Amino acid sequence: NAGVTQTPKFRILKIGQSMTLQCTQDMNHNYMYWYRQDPGMGLKLIYYSVGAGITDKGEVPNGYNVSRSTTEDFPLRLELAAPSQTSVYFCASSYSSSGNTIYFGEGSWLTVV
Amino acid sequence: GQSLEQPSEVTAVEGAIVQINCTYQTSGFYGLSWYQQHDGGAPTFLSYNALDGLEETGRFSSFLSRSDSYGYLLLQELQMKDSASYFCAVMNRDDKIIFGKGTRLHILP
Repeated sequence: NAGVTQTPKFRILKIGQSMTLQCTQDMNHNYMYWYRQDPGMGLKLIYYSVGAGITDKGEVPNGYNVSRSTTEDFPLRLELAAPSQTSVYFCASSYSSSGNTIYFGEGSWLTVV
Repeated sequence: GQSLEQPSEVTAVEGAIVQINCTYQTSGFYGLSWYQQHDGGAPTFLSYNALDGLEETGRFSSFLSRSDSYGYLLLQELQMKDSASYFCAVMNRDDKIIFGKGTRLHILP
């Protein structure tokens, strides 16, 4: 009963370092999303994908990259980490974007120092 | 552009009823969803409206007026465990799902 799995759960990065947040889902969902949530704020859409091989920018894509080589996996790459990228990152998936429930992973807490 | 407005905080008493409003501005609107998030946790789905009217799920109800670009979440018989943040989110025809900034619900005993 895994659902959406994100790794790592916690990470501290130094300014300028790069890393990849992993996300995998076992529900055969076509749609996957990456959001970031700053303290006390809402969720901002970074990137999303409507199926394998298809990705598109969300509200705040700068400083991030994604790929979708399989239906299950949707990794988020941070290049040249900056303090402004300190946030909680949520991966999510849904069967479609029109009303179906979005299932979220447990979140990844990232601090850039 | 797209925007959603909801109150930042609402306070209510245990056992009472509270309404959290959401107004939105977006192109290609498809539907409005509501999510609950407890501190330190992930958002969880509460309800969805694509058509005008009220949808009821137990103690939670959600309303949508497409002509007014407005919706609300109604929580009845409030319990202390309902203390959380509540987010409205618009589903658009471009497949983007955009969230509001959230409403922090405080419940007093």
